[in-house]
Amino acid sequence: GAVVSQHPSRVICKSGTSVKIECRSLDFQATTMFWYRQFPKKSLMLMATSNEGSKATYEQGVEKDKFLINHASLTLSTLTVTSAHPEDSSFYICSARDGLAGLRSEQFFGPGTRLTVL
Amino acid sequence: DAKTTQPPSMDCAEGRAANLPCNHSTISGNEYVYWYRQIHSQGPQYIIHGLKNNETNEMASLIITEDRKSSTLILPHATLRDTAVYYCIATRTGTASKLTFGTGTRLQVTL
Repeated sequence: GAVVSQHPSRVICKSGTSVKIECRSLDFQATTMFWYRQFPKKSLMLMATSNEGSKATYEQGVEKDKFLINHASLTLSTLTVTSAHPEDSSFYICSARDGLAGLRSEQFFGPGTRLTVL
Repeated sequence: DAKTTQPPSMDCAEGRAANLPCNHSTISGNEYVYWYRQIHSQGPQYIIHGLKNNETNEMASLIITEDRKSSTLILPHATLRDTAVYYCIATRTGTASKLTFGTGTRLQVTL
């Protein structure tokens, strides 16, 4: 199956700093990528849908100025958590769909990035 | 997306078949049934999906009832590595279609 990578896998930062997480589709072109957040023992919650070359679509309750998403190419989307606070500590996961695989293409998920804000 | 209902947890002995049920009684005609699983501290892994016919791949089989109101994911010979949370999702296809994750079923495979 298709491979999606994330970098970094773990990051610890101080409160008030910004953190950038990269999501790459390694062997396919992803016109659409998705960003999820998962708190301990909870399910995945969709944060936003990232479309190549256009603005991301955020889910209700997700602050677009705090979680900046850029999808500048068909293989890379980035999520920047700005002015991070301890409550932003979470497991961030991206997914991508192969834009050339037709309507039935499933989403492929990255391994996740664990963010800890001190 | 149609709401799905799954049991919160199940146990299965290693080597036996694991049958994971999912109820999606309000599924619409253009919604597929997708199954993903998430092993602890990893990203979800795609397993299988189907519309109305039964499907089988190298990982599992998907049985969808004729009225499409429920389905069962079958892992034919469960191993310890199949211990994970399994999510059943009903959604339309399309490049921008979203996946809404419920609470899933925590499958524990034991010796």
